[in-house]
Amino acid sequence: ILNVEQSPQSLHVQEGDSTNFTCSFPSSNFYALHWYRWETAKSPEALFVMTLNGDEKKKGRISATLNTKEGYSYLYIKGSQPEDSATYLCAPEASTGKLIFGQGTTLQVKP
Amino acid sequence: GAGVSQTPSNKVTEKGKYVELRCDPISGHTALYWYRQSLGQGPEFLIYFQGTGAADDSGLPNDRFFAVRPEGSVSTLKIQRTERGDSAVYLCASSLDLGSGSADTQYFGPGTRLTVL
Repeated sequence: ILNVEQSPQSLHVQEGDSTNFTCSFPSSNFYALHWYRWETAKSPEALFVMTLNGDEKKKGRISATLNTKEGYSYLYIKGSQPEDSATYLCAPEASTGKLIFGQGTTLQVKP
Repeated sequence: GAGVSQTPSNKVTEKGKYVELRCDPISGHTALYWYRQSLGQGPEFLIYFQGTGAADDSGLPNDRFFAVRPEGSVSTLKIQRTERGDSAVYLCASSLDLGSGSADTQYFGPGTRLTVL
């Protein structure tokens, strides 16, 4: 059973601030690492799927890095906007394809 | 095209009742997953279908929970003798399922919020 930890649990920032979150997971039996953004009353939205050690992916102002040897991933948001307010979930993928989610980081961006 | 849809969006039931939750995956997606999210936690895996068969049901908490996908498309999650602890958001996701370890993106529906009184 994978133990996935995300930090911080919640974060309040001002519009324009840059921020980052951490996801840590056991590095053994690693297949892929998924990041999702989940806004209230909406479907979780896939942000990134990363597989290789050293992977970096970018989508607009959001980027992510992956270190499979030490078992962590960082998600960065540059110049946070109020519409970035959401819960950000990371999930390593197990061999069967099932995702093991962390508890999430809830971001609130104040205008 | 349409995304993953789930019905109902909200379900309130009484303890001991039977409920069914429905998931319509993206057309052509062979893999279908059920997760549930309890308050303050991340989504927790329940069951994974590859086509019509349950490839991994290790996350079902007990025998009150059962899921089917008879034609390899729509899936129904069935909960018997509901308990207050079953209250959660039940999420469904689908993917192309290109093979083990292929890191397919799972596309989620909006979930069904189940409340057991």
